[in-house]
Amino acid sequence: EVQLLESGGGLVQPGGSLRLSCAASGFTFSTFAMNWVRQAPGKGLEWVSTVSGSGGRTYYADSVKGRFTISRDNSKNTLFLQMNSLTAEDTAVYYCAKDFAVPGIFDYWGQGTLSTVSS
Amino acid sequence: DIVLTQSPATLSLSPGERATLSCRASQSVSSYLAWYQQKPDQPPRLLIYDASNRATGIPARFSGSGSGTDFTLTIGSLEPEDFAVYYCQQRSTWPRTFGQGTKLEIK
Repeated sequence: EVQLLESGGGLVQPGGSLRLSCAASGFTFSTFAMNWVRQAPGKGLEWVSTVSGSGGRTYYADSVKGRFTISRDNSKNTLFLQMNSLTAEDTAVYYCAKDFAVPGIFDYWGQGTLSTVSS
Repeated sequence: DIVLTQSPATLSLSPGERATLSCRASQSVSSYLAWYQQKPDQPPRLLIYDASNRATGIPARFSGSGSGTDFTLTIGSLEPEDFAVYYCQQRSTWPRTFGQGTKLEIK
């Protein structure tokens, strides 16, 4: 059974940093690209970032480019999102999501971790 | 960026009725469109990928159609558990984008 468990969210002041983690199990982690998708309170879904299975290719939404860094440790089946220079607009539930066999489709999602940026 | 516009914003129907949800893309996404269902305090669930392919375990009452810029998600006969928010998403180009969602509510 595929499981994705996010952690690392919390309350941070504007300008601060957070590092999110997503522990994966139940599939061959290194075979699949992984993604972060966020959802601001009461709002819709926003794709944030994708990393290829090897970790060699990364993609970012313009809203986070230069501030967020996606990475993965395939030896530990873990996905990361380093978030720097946070603003109130980054307040959201952050979901990690596994790519389907077809790239760009998100077939399994974690329960999400809430990151709140506020003074 | 490709903008996905969903309509209507809210759809009020009764169990047993047929639901038709629309997603229009600002430029062609070929057939590279997916649909997700999200219930309160839950992550999204993949329903349909590449316009018309049901994901594993999705009931046959869910069907998708369309190509290019116009897509439709149809729920054949609504069950009580189908009332939720539905999102479309394209994988044709970067950045991946989602529609703003359609809320399907009980009438």
